[in-house]
Amino acid sequence: AQSVTQLDSQVPVFEEAPVELRCNYSSSVSVYLFWYVQYPNQGLQLLLKYLSGSTLVKGINGFEAEFNKSQTSFHLRKPSVHISDTAEYFCAATFGGAGSYQLTFGKGTKLSVIP
Amino acid sequence: DTGVSQNPRHKITKRGQNVTFRCDPISEHNRLYWYRQTLGQGPEFLTYFQNEAQLEKSRLLSDRFSAERPKGSFSTLEIQRTEQGDSAMYLCASSPSSVSTDTQYFGPGTRLTVL
Repeated sequence: AQSVTQLDSQVPVFEEAPVELRCNYSSSVSVYLFWYVQYPNQGLQLLLKYLSGSTLVKGINGFEAEFNKSQTSFHLRKPSVHISDTAEYFCAATFGGAGSYQLTFGKGTKLSVIP
Repeated sequence: DTGVSQNPRHKITKRGQNVTFRCDPISEHNRLYWYRQTLGQGPEFLTYFQNEAQLEKSRLLSDRFSAERPKGSFSTLEIQRTEQGDSAMYLCASSPSSVSTDTQYFGPGTRLTVL
């Protein structure tokens, strides 16, 4: 069965420190991967997506993610976080074949940036 | 481009009542999706439309749930005979075409509380 797993439910990090939010997927078919951010009382906003090609994907707000097929991972990174990055981050995927229209989400990781 | 809008933003109802939520997608987006997000979980797919056609509804949670998109523009999600377990955030998203790599743009959601 296809699934997305986010390994950390909460990640506290000091301002200006680097951060990595982990995401793993399980799939026997082709997969497209996405990271969304959700600020309080706002909708989900796309940070970046991996479709094909270069495995390092750059997104908005200085975030980047690396697709690793052998480890079935798509971890999100930022070299220096700001207070404004405090939010909940969701890894999501669409899987090839039947059901390719729907996003399958992980449970989310709450990033707390400490001043 | 004003983004995806949802109304109401909050709805409080008593158990057994019917509720209806509205979603207005981004103009000219022909795909529209509904998701449900419960506390501590990522969004869960419910149903989607290609223009006015509902192409997948087997993931609707029960026969109390129904959705429409009569003219291929806005959509409504109705829950009949609400139960306390229906309390959740209901999210709407739209995308420009039927390609699975398209970004889904999310609205701010409707938070339902069933007393």
